[in-house]
Amino acid sequence: DTAVSQTPKYLVTQMGNDKSIKCEQNLGHDTMYWYKQDSKKFLKIMFSYNNKELIINETVPNRFSPKSPDKAHLNLHINSLELGDSAVYFCASSHRDRDGQPQHFGDGTRLSIL
Amino acid sequence: DAKTTQPTSMDCAEGRAANLPCNHSTISGNEYVYWYRQIHSQGPQYIIHGLKNNETNEMASLIITEDRKSSTLILPHATLRDTAVYYCIVIVRWAANNLFFGTGTRLTVIP
Repeated sequence: DTAVSQTPKYLVTQMGNDKSIKCEQNLGHDTMYWYKQDSKKFLKIMFSYNNKELIINETVPNRFSPKSPDKAHLNLHINSLELGDSAVYFCASSHRDRDGQPQHFGDGTRLSIL
Repeated sequence: DAKTTQPTSMDCAEGRAANLPCNHSTISGNEYVYWYRQIHSQGPQYIIHGLKNNETNEMASLIITEDRKSSTLILPHATLRDTAVYYCIVIVRWAANNLFFGTGTRLTVIP
């Protein structure tokens, strides 16, 4: 019954590695997002996809590449991981074109770079 | 999107009403007021939103002033599980895409 699910929940890896985080939603939403929450707890949007098309791409290094195989999935691939990438990454989804619809969030992926 | 101002922290006794204020004096006519909260180690959780009128759902009530420059989120009977950071966000009504989470208000419910 989980609405927005992310895997893995925890990810510990070495600097320089490449890793992916997966996100799936079963709410029938047409828009999905990735947010990053840093050590100071600031939560910032990274990407937004609507119907598999990128609609928001904030100032994020091009080492981060989102991939949306279908409307229900938005995966985040990160190349050449750096220490500063350590954070909690949240996936979210919503109906974009329905007035005032809220976003629903997953429980986050805690990424730690050694 | 309009900027919001919230107190950094608040305490509330368990069972009492928690009233969380938010100032959004630069809000424009096409912007909603949204409230989310983040309980420790979890993703943000939607609470309620409104445009002009007061709103109530199973979680909370939202009171928006007539000039729309401020609002108050009311948790009628706070429980320990309501301890969280509460975010007030103002965003254009037809494109709730780019949510900006500020620092929010850390609400601590005290037994």
